[in-house]
Amino acid sequence: GAVVSQHPSWVICKSGTSVKIECRSLDFQATTMFWYRQFPKQSLMLMATSNEGSKATYEQGVEKDKFLINHASLTLSTLTVTSAHPEDSSFYICSARDVIAGTYEQYFGPGTRLTVT
Amino acid sequence: AQSVAQPEDQVNVAEGNPLTVKCTYSVSGNPYLFWYVQYPNRGLQFLLKYITGDNLVKGSYGFEAEFNKSQTSFHLKKPSALVSDSALYFCAVRESNDYKLSFGAGTTVTVRA
Repeated sequence: GAVVSQHPSWVICKSGTSVKIECRSLDFQATTMFWYRQFPKQSLMLMATSNEGSKATYEQGVEKDKFLINHASLTLSTLTVTSAHPEDSSFYICSARDVIAGTYEQYFGPGTRLTVT
Repeated sequence: AQSVAQPEDQVNVAEGNPLTVKCTYSVSGNPYLFWYVQYPNRGLQFLLKYITGDNLVKGSYGFEAEFNKSQTSFHLKKPSALVSDSALYFCAVRESNDYKLSFGAGTTVTVRA
């Protein structure tokens, strides 16, 4: 089946630094990837939709200059949390659509736990 | 606009008993409905989906869900729960002409031995 990986699985960084999270589709091409944020025991909140070769579409209330998204290839999207602060600590999950296969579900990565100290 | 409601924050059942996790949805067009399960510090695992066709959908790990258009519901069921089914369950919906998923708040299932 379709597999999506994320790297790193967890990261601790100091306030003010930037952190990059990678999302890869391992066995399929993903023209569209999604980035979600999840707080403890809460639902997933869509942050942005990442389209290969074009600018990401951000959801209302999500700062695009804070959360930089790059989707340079059909198998890789990156999320960079710039000038991270403790309130950015969260679980970040990406997902990808296998458009070529014509399936309807999104395949989710295992998530990245970000802790900003 | 689309939305999902999971009315129960928690569901507790004994192992071997039937398990039901409730979900209702709201969309303006035809719904595509999904169930996912999440274990601690993990991403979401796909369980099953309803796109069209038979209202009773069978999925992974013995789970099934029934699409009820008149009640706008898509409840997840398992005839005999296992302790290993203890996890966080999410219902999600998207319209047929959109790709964005809307998730419910999640239901924590605890199956006691």
